[in-house]
Amino acid sequence: QSALTQPASVSGSPGQSITISCTGTSSDVGGYNYVSWYQHHPDKAPKLMIYDVSKRPSGISNRFSGSKSGNTASLTISGLQAEDEADYYCASYTSSSTWVFGGGTKLTVL
Amino acid sequence: EVQLVESGGGLVKPGGSLRLSCAASGITFSIYSMNWVRQAPGKGLEWVSSISSSSNHIYYADSLKGRFTISRDNAKNSLYLQMNSLRAEDTAVYYCARDPWSSSSYWGQGTLVTVSS
Repeated sequence: QSALTQPASVSGSPGQSITISCTGTSSDVGGYNYVSWYQHHPDKAPKLMIYDVSKRPSGISNRFSGSKSGNTASLTISGLQAEDEADYYCASYTSSSTWVFGGGTKLTVL
Repeated sequence: EVQLVESGGGLVKPGGSLRLSCAASGITFSIYSMNWVRQAPGKGLEWVSSISSSSNHIYYADSLKGRFTISRDNAKNSLYLQMNSLRAEDTAVYYCARDPWSSSSYWGQGTLVTVSS
């Protein structure tokens, strides 16, 4: 159960788009369409932004989108806003019927 | 209103035990799978364990090596995590989460567990 690989940090200016990658293996990301993305502000509960690779829960802005190619999933945030600044985590179902998170990416809005 | 409230965290010595609880309200608790997820200080999220709605399917992270036990009491709308042989590296905020990977995802605010002598 090695953690999925995410960049430690990404940044962008308001209005711009950024993409966070999440790389796993064929036993997790590449093997199932069960990749989720979470937004986490300090001292708050994580918030689901994307599930099943590209689906948005009710109430989540369409500025957030997800995709997957092979063993790498991606979260794209368009029209960056100051309130998007947070830590973002991907998670995937695995062949062991367990779940694994990525190491997390700190998004800075410049 | 959906509420998941964790309790039972605190300071425990290495080798000690602790039982976390998660009280659910505002939901039909018995139909959802539940999970525990933790975050150590300065670290990322780590999945700990999951339990199906009727407790038929239970899974743990390999790193726990049999020290933790997840359980639930649907009559009491409660989820539990029994943690034994605690180590310093188990220090973390522990979150309970309803179906965290689906559109019905909901997380509690977490409870802090500190393992230190």
